[in-house]
Amino acid sequence: GAVVSQHPSWVICKSGTSVKIECRSLDFQATTMFWYRQFPKQSLMLMATSNEGSKATYEQGVEKDKFLINHASLTLSTLTVTSAHPEDSSFYICSLRDRGVDGYTFGSGTRLTVV
Amino acid sequence: GIQVEQSPPDLILQEGANSTLRCNFSDSVNNLQWFHQNPWGQLINLFYIPSGTKQNGRLSATTVATERYSLLYISSSQTTDSGVYFCAVMDIHTGNQFYFGTGTSLTVIP
Repeated sequence: GAVVSQHPSWVICKSGTSVKIECRSLDFQATTMFWYRQFPKQSLMLMATSNEGSKATYEQGVEKDKFLINHASLTLSTLTVTSAHPEDSSFYICSLRDRGVDGYTFGSGTRLTVV
Repeated sequence: GIQVEQSPPDLILQEGANSTLRCNFSDSVNNLQWFHQNPWGQLINLFYIPSGTKQNGRLSATTVATERYSLLYISSSQTTDSGVYFCAVMDIHTGNQFYFGTGTSLTVIP
């Protein structure tokens, strides 16, 4: 199956600063990547769909100006949490579709804590 | 969107015991996957199983698409099986969006 590398694994930042999370496809080209958010003790919710070379598609209720997504190449998508606040503290996970029939592969996730 | 419900929400097992986790979904799906989220948060893909039955070691899964449910079987459970198990489906109408279930939190005690 596909290999997805997500960095950083965890990050602590001060309120008001911005944080960038990277998601890389290591062994094949992904035209579409997905970003999920998971609050403690809750399930995963899709935030946005990242499309290579075009604007991301955001789910209802997700602020596009706060969560900037850039899919600049076929192997890299980034999520930038701008002007982070404590309520943005969460677990962020990227995903991409496997080239085979194995379904979707997920990154290892990034635990963001805003203090 | 499609509703995905998992049961039980919490499960505590003695090491060596067997268990069955259930996932019900409200509409037709063209993709269903079971994931194990370990204590560090990493999602491990267990099965891609939109229909039929698959087995991988002590784990097996069955999806009955016509009746809109899937089952994950864990046999001879081990402490390393602890974590949260998620079922995620993709319905035939929206295409790319995964809908995750509420999860089953499993604790295996020695």
